[in-house]
This record gives sequence, C-alpha cells and structure tokens, in this order.
Amino acid sequence: DTEVTQTPKHLVMGMTNKKSLKCEQHMGHRAMYWYKQKAKKPPELMFVYSYEKLSINESVPSRFSPECPNSSLLNLHLHALQPEDSALYLCASSQAGANEKLFFGSGTQLSVL
Amino acid sequence: GESVGLHLPTLSVQEGDNSIINCAYSNSASDYFIWYKQESGKGPQFIIDIRSNMDKRQGQRVTVLLNKTVKHLSLQIAATQPGDSAVYFCAENTTSGTYKYIFGTGTRLKVLA
Repeated sequence: DTEVTQTPKHLVMGMTNKKSLKCEQHMGHRAMYWYKQKAKKPPELMFVYSYEKLSINESVPSRFSPECPNSSLLNLHLHALQPEDSALYLCASSQAGANEKLFFGSGTQLSVL
Repeated sequence: GESVGLHLPTLSVQEGDNSIINCAYSNSASDYFIWYKQESGKGPQFIIDIRSNMDKRQGQRVTVLLNKTVKHLSLQIAATQPGDSAVYFCAENTTSGTYKYIFGTGTRLKVLA
C-alpha cells in the first residue's frame, strides 16, 4: 500500500463551524505533513509531525489545530476559519529522517463561506 | 523569506519533443531536491529526486540536473507525451536534517498534439 488517503475530498463550512480533516497512511512512515495550496500556487508547509510529535509549525494561526493520534493517522481540526482559508489541504508522509521523498494524498478542497 | 523557483510560467511543447523545466533555488545549504508533477484535482506525484552530492540523476524518460554553482535545478523529459501535461514543482529541503520541504512556484507544461 503506497497511498495516502485523505477525507473528505470536499468540504464546505461556515465561519462558525468546527470540522476536521483526516489523513491516513499504512506505509510505516513516521513523518507526516500538512500543506495548504491555493489555486495556481505551490503547496505551503503548515505542520510536520515526526514520531507523532509536532516537529514544525510554520507560524500557522491557532484556528488550525493538528493532531497525530498514532503513526498512521493525522488530523487537522478547523475552527472559526476565514474565507481566505479556502484552499486545497494536502497531507503527505515520508520515511523518518532527512532527505526522504514525500508521498501526497489527493487533498481536501475546503471552501469557507 | 526563502523562495524557490520563478513566477509560474507555461511551457508548450510538441508531442514527441523533449521538455526542459527549470527551477532556481535560493538556499545554498539545501542538500536534497525533489521534482513533483501535479495534475488537476490531484496531489503532487513524485517524479525524481537528487541529493546535493550529485550533479545528475536519470529515471525513466526523466533526468534531473543540479548546478550548485548557480543554484539551478532542471527536469528534462524525453519524448514528451500528452499525459505529461501538468504543473511541475521543484521542492528543496531548506534546512538539512529537518523535514522542512519548500516548493518552488511551478511550471505548467502543455503538450501540443
């Protein structure tokens, strides 16, 4: 299994809603990532977990809350988002250690109304 | 801040011709580089990678060249096919020993029949 699975594929939420994005991989990878991608722009790094511990937070607003409950799962909890947070949210995983290629899921297309 | 690549250009090539996609990176300390292909509605797909101790690496129909002197990376695609039409991103590990992978701005490749 070389897939990173993200759910849901599409999400529409209001600014007062609370929702969660989910990501799962069964490749035994111990590094997991969240990226945000706006249309016609490159993915922007948000968070990295290494061995289930938060390793990198790229100064992301607190309305985005990541969680890594185990080595296969990565969540992104969303609360009080703004319309400008509408984007494609990509999850990726890699082998532990530096200089390992990232495997990406297909993303969750989020629209904030 | 750190940046990789140029503003998103579009490269149009005839089917069967070779394509060369370029990327400039700004961090001379970066030691690992990856090329990704992203089709519409999908996540980035790994193409090929190269470490900074190499100048060239070949895959199936693709070659990556690294010129550390001028901080330049290129992806060559031989005998370009319609299925190669996509946006191509270079990514670099900007901080050695970490999971901080930053993407360049990307190039859209259009293959003309």
